[in-house]
Amino acid sequence: KAGVTQTPRYLIKTRGQQVTLSCSPISGHRSVSWYQQTPGQGLQFLFEYFSETQRNKGNFPGRFSGRQFSNSRSEMNVSTLELGDSALYLCASCYGNNEKLFFGSGTQLSVL
Amino acid sequence: EDKVVQSPLSLVVHEGDTVTLNCSYEVTNFRSLLWYKQEKKAPTFLFMLTSSGIEKKSGRLSSILDKKELFSILNITATQTGDSAVYLCAVLYGNKLVFGAGTILRVKS
Repeated sequence: KAGVTQTPRYLIKTRGQQVTLSCSPISGHRSVSWYQQTPGQGLQFLFEYFSETQRNKGNFPGRFSGRQFSNSRSEMNVSTLELGDSALYLCASCYGNNEKLFFGSGTQLSVL
Repeated sequence: EDKVVQSPLSLVVHEGDTVTLNCSYEVTNFRSLLWYKQEKKAPTFLFMLTSSGIEKKSGRLSSILDKKELFSILNITATQTGDSAVYLCAVLYGNKLVFGAGTILRVKS
């Protein structure tokens, strides 16, 4: 059974640009969550999608958005990038109720 | 405000030592507490705890939850260099999962 797949693995962008990250969950998993991880900050929750609907949202500005497709794949978009957006973005999937999340290897975003 | 606090932030031990990692939380509508190990990028699941006083074990790792005092500990006995990682505690409440900042463990040979 394939794990959670995130693409791309690495990204380098400049301030003001936008970026789209992709996540393919484990087959059969309907919930996809996104987290931002920076050194010393732990994992900060961005949002969670379940059956194409945003079910939960963290405390991030509106520049961070996401969506989920009918096949449960999810994308996350960050517009007007800032230096502080440099981080590891992790995607996690589970069957339904956010217990025992399975994580992807993340996308390392660097904003210059 | 819902929060999860882990301690210590980091520690260095020698192979063979026993370590205890702590996780305290303040959340409403608690459902479960989870421990993850993050070695490079992807955190991997260790334990999920929902009931007080019931120890979960996996090899040299064990964990227990105290719902009255709102904390959990993760014990690692006979540590090995392969145990070097960031250990993350997370609390599930409602449908939300909130993580602590993690404990960085380094095991020296």
